[in-house]
Amino acid sequence: DSGVTQTPKHLITATGQRVTLRCSPRSGDLSVYWYQQSLDQGLQFLIQYYNGEERAKGNILERFSAQQFPDLHSELNLSSLELGDSALYFCASSPLTRDSLGYTEAFFGQGTRLTVV
Amino acid sequence: DQQVKQNSPSLSVQEGRISILNCDYTNSMFDYFLWYKKYPAEGPTFLISISSIKDKNEDGRFTVFLNKSAKHLSLHIVPSQPGDSAVYFCAASAERDKIIFGKGTRLHILP
Repeated sequence: DSGVTQTPKHLITATGQRVTLRCSPRSGDLSVYWYQQSLDQGLQFLIQYYNGEERAKGNILERFSAQQFPDLHSELNLSSLELGDSALYFCASSPLTRDSLGYTEAFFGQGTRLTVV
Repeated sequence: DQQVKQNSPSLSVQEGRISILNCDYTNSMFDYFLWYKKYPAEGPTFLISISSIKDKNEDGRFTVFLNKSAKHLSLHIVPSQPGDSAVYFCAASAERDKIIFGKGTRLHILP
């Protein structure tokens, strides 16, 4: 158990709909990352938040948005869903801090499998 | 633009032998490299990492080698065991920034 919790584990929805994926990072971790894993595409970085603020952005579509709340949990909102959005969505957290001198790995949740029909 | 490349989608190795997984990167700003292992229906789990100031890091059966001039790193698993069958992701980050992953290599350990 990595300590990162993602809900729901599975989600089936229709095209055009909007869904929200939730992530609770490990206790004390300030940084949250979102990744998308489509078939044969590896882990595509979407976005990173650090202590409530957006820190880095990857290949995230305009239809997608995310935020990190004061309690450090994060939500990824996917709207106007298309068939091609079907994928595994992973959240990861890390204890990265602005004053950290060392490097550290990110810990991943079990993922949310989104199926758009 | 793929900054982290794992050019072998899959690899088969006999149990007990050495598994070598390779990874190339293009961004010279990367200063921290990681390997993750992923089983089906689970999230990736951290395996081993290396900072750019080193050229080798060892942890039990796992050793990561970094060749900065060639922008290449490799993961060696010795000896390979059946439980090592999984997808292995190479990842890199710059100045503790976002972590960029390769597409993964599926390792099959043969009995």
